[in-house]
Amino acid sequence: SQQGEEDPQALSIQEGENATMNCSYKTSINNLQWYRQNSGRGLVHLILIRSNEREKHSGRLRVTLDTSKKSSSLLITASRAADTASYFCATDEETSGSRLTFGEGTQLTVNP
Amino acid sequence: EAGVAQSPRYKIIEKRQSVAFWCNPISGHATLYWYQQILGQGPKLLIQFQNNGVVDDSQLPKDRFSAERLKGVDSTLKIQPAKLEDSAVYLCASSREWSSYNEQFFGPGTRLTVL
Repeated sequence: SQQGEEDPQALSIQEGENATMNCSYKTSINNLQWYRQNSGRGLVHLILIRSNEREKHSGRLRVTLDTSKKSSSLLITASRAADTASYFCATDEETSGSRLTFGEGTQLTVNP
Repeated sequence: EAGVAQSPRYKIIEKRQSVAFWCNPISGHATLYWYQQILGQGPKLLIQFQNNGVVDDSQLPKDRFSAERLKGVDSTLKIQPAKLEDSAVYLCASSREWSSYNEQFFGPGTRLTVL
């Protein structure tokens, strides 16, 4: 079953704009991760945020986590055409035994 | 370091046929994962190995899917017999240890089409 639900399903922006994607989940988690998948490729790990963290940065990426609302957001600043990809959140549920459960993803298109 | 290798990259078979996929993880990674990704969805974990032992196969359809990692290095995933709904990309991933805090590294996947 899918734990995370991403919103929006698809997002189209211009280069230089910021992109925000949201993820909601249902059960208590140990951590939440974001992955990127370019068309026809495997997934690439972007960032991990632990359940006791509220915000984390990595380069142009900013992730927030609100455990009271069971939601997370991924912000990509100053987007580039190369950021065009699908973005997935993945949660490690407290009862899952370190199994990651992925959402259905947000398809981001950055137009040059 | 070399990434996760998978073969074949593409496979087309007819329903009720058998198919096998191969994965070679990153050297030294103890944990290996097989995921199924249906078009338009996120990956779903099928099976997880720690060295050559299975730690999670709760979502593996065991009546038709099997997987092994005999020497704790490379792994094969088999489907026998295949159904139309098995059409998907099969992703292999590896991580240093069995913990969700360890980054998972994914291979390019095998795209399976069942006709």
